[in-house]
Amino acid sequence: QVQVVESGGGVVQPGGSLTLSCVASGFSFNTYAMHWVRQAPGKGLEWVAFIRSDANNIYYADSVRGRFTISRDNSRNMVYLQMNSLRPEDTAVYFCAKPLRAYGPYFHSWGQGSLVTVSS
Amino acid sequence: AIQLTQSPSSLSASVGDRVTITCRASQDIIRALGWYQHKPGETPKLLIYEASGLEGGVPSRFSGSGSGTDFSLTISSLQPEDFGTYYCQQFNNYPLTFGGGTKVYFK
Repeated sequence: QVQVVESGGGVVQPGGSLTLSCVASGFSFNTYAMHWVRQAPGKGLEWVAFIRSDANNIYYADSVRGRFTISRDNSRNMVYLQMNSLRPEDTAVYFCAKPLRAYGPYFHSWGQGSLVTVSS
Repeated sequence: AIQLTQSPSSLSASVGDRVTITCRASQDIIRALGWYQHKPGETPKLLIYEASGLEGGVPSRFSGSGSGTDFSLTISSLQPEDFGTYYCQQFNNYPLTFGGGTKVYFK
């Protein structure tokens, strides 16, 4: 059974940093791309970042490019989202998502989410 | 980035109604579009992939259609458990984008 579990959320001041972690199980993690998606309070879903199975292809939303870094450790079935220069508008629940197919399309299995609050 | 415009932004309907939500892309995305259902307190659920592919376990009252720039999600007979917000999402180009969502209420 596929499981995806995020951790690392919390409250951080504007300009601060935070790293989210996601551990996955129940599938061949090292063959699957992974995504981060977020939802700000009262807002819709926003895709954040993508990493290919071998980490050779990485993409970011325009809103986070240059501030966020996605990475993975296939030996530990982990994917990370390092978030720097955080802004109040980054306040959101961050979801880690396994795609429907290995190369990345569609968000099939989601974690419960990790809340990040950027506030002074 | 490709913009996805959903309509309506909200709708109210009765059990048994046929409901259609539309999604228009700002450029041709062929058939690289998915639909998700998101209920409060739950994780989003993939309903439709590749414009019309029904994800496993999703009831057959859900269907998707369209190609190019115009797409739709139809619920043939609305059930009480179908309340929530529905999103389209394109996978043709990065950055990936979602539509603004359609909130489904019950009359």
